[in-house]
Amino acid sequence: GAGVSQSPSNKVTEKGKDVELRCDPISGHTALYWYRQRLGQGLEFLIYFQGNSAPDKSGLPSDRFSAERTGESVSTLTIQRTQQEDSAVYLCASSPGSRPQHFGDGTRLSIL
Amino acid sequence: DQQVKQNSPSLSVQEGRISILNCDYTNSMFDYFLWYKKYPAEGPTFLISISSIKDKNEDGRFTVFLNKSAKHLSLHIVPSQPGDSAVYFCAAGDDKIIFGKGTRLHILP
Repeated sequence: GAGVSQSPSNKVTEKGKDVELRCDPISGHTALYWYRQRLGQGLEFLIYFQGNSAPDKSGLPSDRFSAERTGESVSTLTIQRTQQEDSAVYLCASSPGSRPQHFGDGTRLSIL
Repeated sequence: DQQVKQNSPSLSVQEGRISILNCDYTNSMFDYFLWYKKYPAEGPTFLISISSIKDKNEDGRFTVFLNKSAKHLSLHIVPSQPGDSAVYFCAAGDDKIIFGKGTRLHILP
């Protein structure tokens, strides 16, 4: 379909491993957002991109988290040396201008 | 420190009646407010938004009201339908959008 696509949909990994989460935004959308939702919590802002620059990285929880975006296309969120508290659903959203309008279905990350 | 608060974790409303979902925010610099709906195992779906220069925005059965002096906004759904049963998130900000924890709405037959 033409929506925001996230992969993988589910990821189970051992504590201490690195993981990479991918987001394919809607074609032509300049803004791209990453959020995470821990169990029973709201959506926690992580980072957003306008084009391939990230004006606001303040939501990244620690230096184990990083994100990149290639042009106005795919973005990857990388978590190094995963910890159990990283378990959450990671959601990506894109928008033609600003403000997250179209969300993917998320990647459910489980750290054992 | 929660900048966007949805103080009711859940709400039950009879089908056909009005559903009113409430949201409070703390940052008077927020200039844009949004409501999203979320079904299990899906990403949130954008419903309706309002900018800080307005106090009301209507789209079909959905109306959002903004009271800047009280730092409060609400979403009205009328009439409520079974398919409206979902979790509703309030969000606010500018380019950086902050979400509340959500309110689970149950529409009763």
